[in-house]
Amino acid sequence: EDQVTQSPEALRLQEGESSSLNCSYTVSGLRGLFWYRQDPGKGPEFLFTLYSAGEEKEKERLKATLTKKESFLHITAPKPEDSATYLCAVVSYNTDKLIFGTGTRLQVFP
Amino acid sequence: DTGVSQNPRHKITKRGQNVTFRCDPISEHNRLYWYRQTLGQGPEFLTYFQNEAQLEKSRLLSDRFSAERPKGSFSTLEIQRTEQGDSAMYLCASSPKVSSYEQYFGPGTRLTVT
Repeated sequence: EDQVTQSPEALRLQEGESSSLNCSYTVSGLRGLFWYRQDPGKGPEFLFTLYSAGEEKEKERLKATLTKKESFLHITAPKPEDSATYLCAVVSYNTDKLIFGTGTRLQVFP
Repeated sequence: DTGVSQNPRHKITKRGQNVTFRCDPISEHNRLYWYRQTLGQGPEFLTYFQNEAQLEKSRLLSDRFSAERPKGSFSTLEIQRTEQGDSAMYLCASSPKVSSYEQYFGPGTRLTVT
C-alpha cells in the first residue's frame, strides 16, 4: 500500500536557523512527489513537484530534493512568515490521487 | 482571481441533515478532486472526475456521500444523514491536464455537525 511518512511532526526554529524536513515514501511506482504549504484554516498551496531521483527544485528560501526513498525540504535562513504546515504527497502509477503525509508543523520565531 | 473556489466556506448542521458543497475549478482544468481533512492529518482522497466522468472513489466513501460534475465544470459533494464523524474540512482541487499531476486546492469548506 502506498504510504508517506513525514518527520518531525513539529519543528521550532529561530529566525535564520536553517533546517530540513523529511518525507519518506513507499509507492508502487512513483509518478511524482509534491510539496505543499498549508496555513491554518486554508487549503494547501502548491510548492514543488519532483519526478525522479536526483531532481532538485528551489523557490526563495525553500529547496526540495528527491531520492528513491525520500524527499527533503530544506529551509535556509527561515523567517516568521515561513511558519506553516508543510505537506508531502505522492502519486503512484496505480492511481491519480495524492497520498499525503500528516505534515510537519513549522514555527519560526523572531 | 482565477483559483479554485468553494462554497460555502463554513457549514454548521445538525446530525441527520443533508448538506451540499460546491466547487468551481480553475478554468479549463479537466480533472477535479475531492479530499477530506481532519485536524492534524493530511488530506484524504474521496473521489475524482475527469471532465464529467467519475473515475475513482475511495473505499472509505460511504453510501451517504455522492459527488457529481454534470457538465464537466463545477462539482457538488453531497452528504446525506450527516454524522458527527463527518465534521472535517472538505477540500476541492483541480488539475490542468492528463499528463500533469499537480493539483491546485481551493480554500475548503469547514463542516461542523452538531
